[in-house]
Amino acid sequence: NAGVTQTPKFRILKIGQSMTLQCAQDMNHNYMYWYRQDPGMGLKLIYYSVGAGITDKGEVPNGYNVSRSTTEDFPLRLELAAPSQTSVYFCASSYQDRGRMEDQPQHFGDGTRLSIL
Amino acid sequence: GDSVTQMEGPVTLSEEAFLTINCTYTATGYPSLFWYVQYPGEGLQLLLKATKADDKGSNKGFEATYRKETTSFHLEKGSVQVSDSAVYFCALSPYSSASKIIFGSGTRLSIRP
Repeated sequence: NAGVTQTPKFRILKIGQSMTLQCAQDMNHNYMYWYRQDPGMGLKLIYYSVGAGITDKGEVPNGYNVSRSTTEDFPLRLELAAPSQTSVYFCASSYQDRGRMEDQPQHFGDGTRLSIL
Repeated sequence: GDSVTQMEGPVTLSEEAFLTINCTYTATGYPSLFWYVQYPGEGLQLLLKATKADDKGSNKGFEATYRKETTSFHLEKGSVQVSDSAVYFCALSPYSSASKIIFGSGTRLSIRP
């Protein structure tokens, strides 16, 4: 059972470089999310998607972009890396039946630890 | 706005001790409440949940009861083990927005043998 798969697990970038964090899920979930977790802090929502072709900003979207061309994949793009983006990034997915408005739990990947130097 | 407040850590206990991690929330309407656990080097995993007032979520010996009158969802376990050492996050999902979960800042728990 793969669940939510994130790649890479670790990465070091120089200031101003760009990169894409990959996220894939095989559970046919409609909702996907990107969070960042700073040391000693909770998770902050960067972007989320309620289905293929639909994305929306979360709490801290500046400096990031996302796309959702398929149900399975939800990559996160950093265009101009800055030291403030040093963090651990988590991708998550869930199935939400909006007709029932019953909140289903999110399934998380193992995270990508990103350092910007 | 909606928010979650949980007790600061770290919390250090001896094996077989009783555990309580406090969590209170602020939300309009009737949110769903969750406890997630994060083991070292891993992502978050759902531990338990409750979707309406007076519901009790339970899993792996952990319990939490949805108390609307005190807006609380405290996590308890009667006898902790070394393997319970992890970071625990309280979270809520607003009724009006199934797409968002609001997390507390996490409580690190360490259990001594």
